[in-house]
Order: sequence, then C-alpha cells, then structure tokens
Amino acid sequence: SQTIHQWPATLVQPVGSPLSLECTVEGTSNPNLYWYRQAAGRGLQLLFYSVGIGQISSEVPQNLSASRPQDRQFILSSKKLLLSDSGFYLCAWSPDLRTEAFFGQGTRLTVV
Amino acid sequence: GDSVTQMEGPVTLSEEAFLTINCTYTATGYPSLFWYVQYPGEGLQLLLKATKADDKGSNKGFEATYRKETTSFHLEKGSVQVSDSAVYFCALSASYGGAQKLVFGQGTRLTINP
Repeated sequence: SQTIHQWPATLVQPVGSPLSLECTVEGTSNPNLYWYRQAAGRGLQLLFYSVGIGQISSEVPQNLSASRPQDRQFILSSKKLLLSDSGFYLCAWSPDLRTEAFFGQGTRLTVV
Repeated sequence: GDSVTQMEGPVTLSEEAFLTINCTYTATGYPSLFWYVQYPGEGLQLLLKATKADDKGSNKGFEATYRKETTSFHLEKGSVQVSDSAVYFCALSASYGGAQKLVFGQGTRLTINP
C-alpha cells in the first residue's frame, strides 16, 4: 500500500535561517506531488506541484522553493525564513486528483 | 479562476444535532468535488467525493450531493457526535494546462459539545 511521510512534525526557526522540509512517498511510482500551506485561521493554499522529476510549478510568488530530486521525494526549501512563513505545511500525492489526494501529517513551522 | 466558498465558521453544535456546512463552487469545466476532514494536529483525510452531477458521496454518516444547477456541494449529517469535531474543507479538482490541482475552500471548524 502507499504511504506518505513528512518530517519534521514541528519546527521552530529564527528569522533569516534556512528551511528544508522533506516529503517521501512509498508504494507508487510517478506520483503527482503537492505542497500546501495552511496559515493560522486560513484555508489551504497550493504552493507548488510536480508531475515528474525536476518538474516544479509554482502557484504564488514567495520566499520558498521546491525541488524533486527523485521520483518519490519532494522538498520544500527557503534560504532565509520570514515571519510570514509560519504555518502548517502539508505534502500530498495523488495518482489522479479526480479521485483522491493523500496527505502527510504536516509540519508546523513557527518562525521566531 | 476556479474557486470554492465555504460557510464561515466556527460552528458549535450539541451532540445529536443536525449538521449542514454549505459549500459552493465556481468552475469553468466539470470538476470533481470533495470534502476533506482535518482532525486536530493531523493532515487531511478524504471524507467523501462526487465526480459528476447528481452524484451523492457518503461516508461515516455524512452526505453531500453534487448539484450542478446551484453549483453546490453541501455537507450534511443527521446526528453529530463529539468525535466529529474537526475542520472540514470543501474542494474541487480540475485540470489546468494539463496538470490537475485541488482547490480548497477556507475550511469550517466544527465543535460538538456533549
């Protein structure tokens, strides 16, 4: 069966520090991968999606970047965090979004 | 662009009350519609879905019907339980330039009191 792993679960980082959040999927190949952010009291915002290795699409201009170095690995990064980067980050994968997306447990990032 | 609008929360009900969470959408094509649920401290889980007009999705006592004429997908449950307390997200999936995306509503926090 397929599983999705996302880590770390929580992270507290100072302003200006770098960020790396990792997401891996097991039990499937060539998944569509997504990074979402949920800011406090707000809905889910799609940040990046990827349909294949090295193929990254950005939804909104921001302080973050994403990479897909391997088929089942999706990384969210920042060179210098801002206070506004705080939030709950969710990784997801889907074979076909017309049926279902599967979400990781999320990473709660607090930038201080 | 495509969008989803949900009933503002938070919603607080007593156990065994009837629940409705309204959801309407705007889409240029024929999207699939979903309700996802997020329990405290966790990621999202699919609650139910409908892929075409007049389909009814159901799971764990929750139901929602895909209404194309009113562009709605309201979530209902006849008798809620304390364990239903969570944040509920309405979403649609559609294709954009060959890629599929999920567009979410803002979420509705539901609290059920015993």
